[in-house]
Amino acid sequence: EVHLLESGGGLVQPGGSLRLSCAASQFNLRNYAMAWVRQAPGRGLQWLSAITSDGGDSYTADSVQGRFTISRDNAKDLVFLELTSLRADDTAVYYCVRRQVVHGSGHFDLWGQGSLVTVSS
Amino acid sequence: DVVLTQTPLSLSVTPGQPASISCKSTQSLLRSDGKTYLYWYLQRPGQSPHLLIYEVSSRFSGVPERFSGSGSGTDFTLEISRVEAEDMGVYYCMQGLHLPWTFGQGTQVEIK
Repeated sequence: EVHLLESGGGLVQPGGSLRLSCAASQFNLRNYAMAWVRQAPGRGLQWLSAITSDGGDSYTADSVQGRFTISRDNAKDLVFLELTSLRADDTAVYYCVRRQVVHGSGHFDLWGQGSLVTVSS
Repeated sequence: DVVLTQTPLSLSVTPGQPASISCKSTQSLLRSDGKTYLYWYLQRPGQSPHLLIYEVSSRFSGVPERFSGSGSGTDFTLEISRVEAEDMGVYYCMQGLHLPWTFGQGTQVEIK
């Protein structure tokens, strides 16, 4: 069965940084456009950033632009989200998601289990 | 930003009864390619969200036929013909046309 697996979350102090990684099981991540979505405790879903399959294009929500950076290493079949200048309101579960752009309009057809990032002193 | 407004925000349904969720967008989600970039996701308690419907009315692989989507332009609806216990959770609509892509606030579905 295909899966996405996030890693790299944890407890970080305000102002700190983290890098989240996303790996795939049973398919090649390099063939897909990918994105990141987060969910603060008890809240709804917020799209953060997306990247094309070749890494040539990326899009990031204005709300985190300049602090969060999406990237990928297709040789290692990984996607990353670099989080910097973290604030308490960045505390959330961060989901890696696969975008279906070849056979669709970019809907998120596969979600990871999520990685919890807690920003606290 | 495009705002998606879901109604109702919560719903309590008896198994076997129908349910309907509305999603209204502040901008049209129809693109020049003829596709409408509106999707529906379900997040069951303690789980990650998963895709139910894409491009308004296309059911994703493995999604039961009791789920259907309809609408156009700015007004969309998700319907469950006969609710089952496993349908409980929070339903989100999402638009993937205008950056930033945005989600509705979610509709909590409870099974009576």
